[in-house]
Amino acid sequence: QKEVEQDPGPLSVPEGAIVSLNCTYSNSAFQYFMWYRQYSRKGPELLMYTYSSGNKEDGRFTAQVDKSSKYISLFIRDSQPSDSATYLCAMRTGNQFYFGTGTSLTVIP
Amino acid sequence: DTAVSQTPKYLVTQMGNDKSIKCEQNLGHDTMYWYKQDSKKFLKIMFSYNNKELIINETVPNRFSPKSPDKAHLNLHINSLELGDSAVYFCASSQGTAGGQDTQYFGPGTRLTVL
Repeated sequence: QKEVEQDPGPLSVPEGAIVSLNCTYSNSAFQYFMWYRQYSRKGPELLMYTYSSGNKEDGRFTAQVDKSSKYISLFIRDSQPSDSATYLCAMRTGNQFYFGTGTSLTVIP
Repeated sequence: DTAVSQTPKYLVTQMGNDKSIKCEQNLGHDTMYWYKQDSKKFLKIMFSYNNKELIINETVPNRFSPKSPDKAHLNLHINSLELGDSAVYFCASSQGTAGGQDTQYFGPGTRLTVL
């Protein structure tokens, strides 16, 4: 079983839709949870970073962590064509980082 | 001003050759990493150095050898390249190794194609 599971998609939504991206994990030692956005032929860039269970909001993005269920989510409100990218979840314990396989998102104008 | 930079951006070479990829970060971070991203976009860690010291060495063929001349640089040397080495290699850096708020910043990637 992989440490981090993420549905690869692809996910295609109309502009303005609310997007929900999810990851599950098996290692209860994970302490820090991150979402990265990767545009085609670019390196991943950090979008959101959370530590505790609960929600964290940044503009149109909301990251949610449920440690009891070992489940994290990223919500994108009012999605834009510029949000079209691959979204990777990542988790950290100590000096080890583990990434999901990424979900490919296309927002259609 | 680029935070994490890699050279070259593209590398096309023949099987059996030896090649190097260079990485530099100007963020003042203590820890640097090399990742391999395959065609299915899966990011897998290969190595991590903290203050020039190897701290993560995943199951990677010993044809891959990282070298850290100082904490701002982490180079990756690959001997006897094979077709399966074709991938995008990402360098990343982070402030520390454990505890506290810490996350990674990635370079633009080096797309390696082995013919």
